[in-house]
Amino acid sequence: KQEVTQIPAALSVPEGENLVLNCSFTDSAIYNLQWFRQDPGKGLTSLLLIQSSQREQTSGRLNASLDKSSGRSTLYIAASQPGDSATYLCAVFSGGGADGLTFGKGTHLIIQP
Amino acid sequence: DAGVIQSPRHEVTEMGQEVTLRCKPISGHNSLFWYRQTMMRGLELLIYFNNNVPIDDSGMPEDRFSAKMPNASFSTLKIQPSEPRDSAVYFCASSLGSGGIQPQHFGDGTRLSIL
Repeated sequence: KQEVTQIPAALSVPEGENLVLNCSFTDSAIYNLQWFRQDPGKGLTSLLLIQSSQREQTSGRLNASLDKSSGRSTLYIAASQPGDSATYLCAVFSGGGADGLTFGKGTHLIIQP
Repeated sequence: DAGVIQSPRHEVTEMGQEVTLRCKPISGHNSLFWYRQTMMRGLELLIYFNNNVPIDDSGMPEDRFSAKMPNASFSTLKIQPSEPRDSAVYFCASSLGSGGIQPQHFGDGTRLSIL
């Protein structure tokens, strides 16, 4: 059974710093990996989706990498801003009839002004 | 474009009552997912529909839970009878195509409290 782990569970950094969030998964046979952002009381917003054949995806100040063989992904946030404060979730799609996503429990990020 | 719409946003009810959660997916999306989020277990898939047909309901916790998708623009998740341990945030998501190949778009969730 696929398991997804995110480290750290919480992170607080001053505004302007670059930071890295980590995600690991136990079964490397995945189709894709998706990073989401969740604001308090809100649903999830998809940030980046990396297909299994890709190594990274970029969107603005965000860069996500995928090392499928080692079961790891990172989300890099450049020049962090207070508006980046949220919970960031990593999810993998393994297919094989289990068509939903398997989620990590998230990293709660606080950017201090 | 309208996103995934869920109702109600909040529901508080007493143990034993029937609860019905509703979801309107994004127009044109043919996959619909119901998830449950708790502090202890995080986000878990309950059931997945493709073209209105339930494909995988292995995540539905027990017979008290049922889900329907009578047409492409509406789905319900029903709990009868409800129990305090069902308290959680329930999310609906939709996507193009089948399964998780395309990004999933989430609604704002229904926060359910069973007293």
